[in-house]
Amino acid sequence: DAGVIQSPRHEVTEMGQEVTLRCKPISGHNSLFWYRQTMMRGLELLIYFNNNVPIDDSGMPEDRFSAKMPNASFSTLKIQPSEPRDSAVYFCASSLGANTGELFFGEGSRLTVL
Amino acid sequence: SQQGEEDPQALSIQEGENATMNCSYKTSINNLQWYRQNSGRGLVHLILIRSNEREKHSGRLRVTLDTSKKSSSLLITASRAADTASYFCATGVKGQGAQKLVFGQGTRLTINP
Repeated sequence: DAGVIQSPRHEVTEMGQEVTLRCKPISGHNSLFWYRQTMMRGLELLIYFNNNVPIDDSGMPEDRFSAKMPNASFSTLKIQPSEPRDSAVYFCASSLGANTGELFFGEGSRLTVL
Repeated sequence: SQQGEEDPQALSIQEGENATMNCSYKTSINNLQWYRQNSGRGLVHLILIRSNEREKHSGRLRVTLDTSKKSSSLLITASRAADTASYFCATGVKGQGAQKLVFGQGTRLTINP
């Protein structure tokens, strides 16, 4: 398996623009997680899905952020409009689900908002 | 605040020495996991210890868990330059259908050749 695939790996955009980050989880994994990593705040859980259904989005910072999982093999994280404070590395991870599993992370999408 | 807090924040040792990192957490957990992150890369799972376990080994890694003190430690024996990375503890909290992992701030480990 190719692992969790994220795109783009790097994105530079200007304040106010829409940003869409994409994730393909490992085939057969039932749970998908979006994390954000910054030097100041570390790794923050934004939202997670189980069987394509959003379970907990309490970590989504504000209404400018939205996430979808239309099917088991694809998820998006959208920021509209983007702001400089959104600059971070965004990670997608998947797991088999249940209440035991390890997470498999993608390589991340580094977002810079100017 | 973060569920897991690692100590120390940074550690620099000579190759061949042992490295110990500690993690404290605040609430009840399903399990505790340790991850490694090389610079510019995603996190990689190292080891998982369940809440009813006290110690676990995997190769050069040894993890302990003390639920009464809400703390864990990761020991890397006979360190190598390739072990240079950031190490994170993550506490597994039961959720709906899948547990969610809450990560600490990490320990940045440097192994000097």
